[in-house]
Amino acid sequence: QVQLQESGPGLVKPSGTLSVTCAVSGDSINNSIWWSWVRQPPGKGLEWIGEVYHTGTTNYNPSLKSRVSMSVDKSKNQFSLRLTSVSAADTAVYYCATSLPTTGYWGRGTLVTVSS
Amino acid sequence: EIVMTQSPATLSVSPGETATLSCRASQSVNSHLAWYQHKPGQAPRVLIYHASTRATGIPARFSGSGSGTEFTLTITSLQSEDFAVYYCQQYSNWPLTFGGGAKVEIK
Repeated sequence: QVQLQESGPGLVKPSGTLSVTCAVSGDSINNSIWWSWVRQPPGKGLEWIGEVYHTGTTNYNPSLKSRVSMSVDKSKNQFSLRLTSVSAADTAVYYCATSLPTTGYWGRGTLVTVSS
Repeated sequence: EIVMTQSPATLSVSPGETATLSCRASQSVNSHLAWYQHKPGQAPRVLIYHASTRATGIPARFSGSGSGTEFTLTITSLQSEDFAVYYCQQYSNWPLTFGGGAKVEIK
């Protein structure tokens, strides 16, 4: 059974960089799966941030594209999200997931708060 | 980007009754539409993909229909564990987009 587990800093200062990692177990990150990041600000809905393939190919949401980067670490079977120049608006629960609902694996999310 | 609009935002239903949720896309997504159930503190769970295909392990009381721009999620004989927030998502075009969510609450 595939499991995804996010890990993050919990607290990031404004204008800083947010980095979150997703550890994949039960499957190889090299399989033909696109891996996504989704976030949910407090009291709001879900927002797709972008996705990464094991080759390093990415697709980003245009609303965040200038600040986002994603990468894959095959040796650790994990993938990562990096978001720069953060503000309070980036406070959210960050989820990692498979992009397509046909697989539909999601982590339980990690809360990242942007505050000084 | 394709905008997904869900209605109603909140639905009050008694256990055992039927809930009908709607989702409209700003342009055709064909059948590339999924429904998720989300409970506080949990990972979202996929219920339906390809507009009408139930995901593995999802009870038959959940059904999806529609294509193009209009979609419906129907939950019959609501159980206590079904009270949650439901999201539709299109995966036809980038960026993937979600509806604003619909809360099904106990009446």
